[in-house]
Amino acid sequence: KQEVTQIPAALSVPEGENLVLNCSFTDSAIYNLQWFRQDPGKGLTSLLLIQSSQREQTSGRLNASLDKSSGRSTLYIAASQPGDSATYLCAPHGSYGGATNKLIFGTGTLLAVQP
Amino acid sequence: DTGVSQNPRHKITKRGQNVTFRCDPISEHNRLYWYRQTLGQGPEFLTYFQNEAQLEKSRLLSDRFSAERPKGSFSTLEIQRTEQGDSAMYLCASSFTQGPEAFFGQGTRLTVV
Repeated sequence: KQEVTQIPAALSVPEGENLVLNCSFTDSAIYNLQWFRQDPGKGLTSLLLIQSSQREQTSGRLNASLDKSSGRSTLYIAASQPGDSATYLCAPHGSYGGATNKLIFGTGTLLAVQP
Repeated sequence: DTGVSQNPRHKITKRGQNVTFRCDPISEHNRLYWYRQTLGQGPEFLTYFQNEAQLEKSRLLSDRFSAERPKGSFSTLEIQRTEQGDSAMYLCASSFTQGPEAFFGQGTRLTVV
């Protein structure tokens, strides 16, 4: 059974700091890994998808890395802004003994960026 | 294309009533997922459709829950005889078979009173 852990559970930083969010997963037989952000009471917004053949992916101030063998992914946010405040979720894609490629989520990291 | 659309956004219902939610995926996405999210937790997988076929259901999906995707387009999730424990955010996602990135809707917030 895939279990996903995200550390830290919550993080508060001043504006402008660079920060790293960590994600670990127990089953390394994954296809891809996707990072999302979720604003309070809203749905999930896809940030980055790292395919299994890739080791990292970048979009703007965001960079995500993936190490399947060790079951770890990190999301790096450069020069944080108050608008980055949200919950960040990682989700490895896998079949996990089922019929399809589905996402399993951790509980997320709640980020607050102080102006 | 406006992304994945879910309706209604909010639903308050009395315990024991039936409710139905709708999801319109991104057009031409043949994969459709339903997830449930309770406060402070990550989303949990409920069920999956490839086109009109429901190929997988989680053990979380009790007999009171049913999902359909007629004609492989929009999908509905019905909960019969709602219980307070059904209160949650219900999220829908879609993707291509050939492209793994999943896109989520804004969710339907269900409150059972």
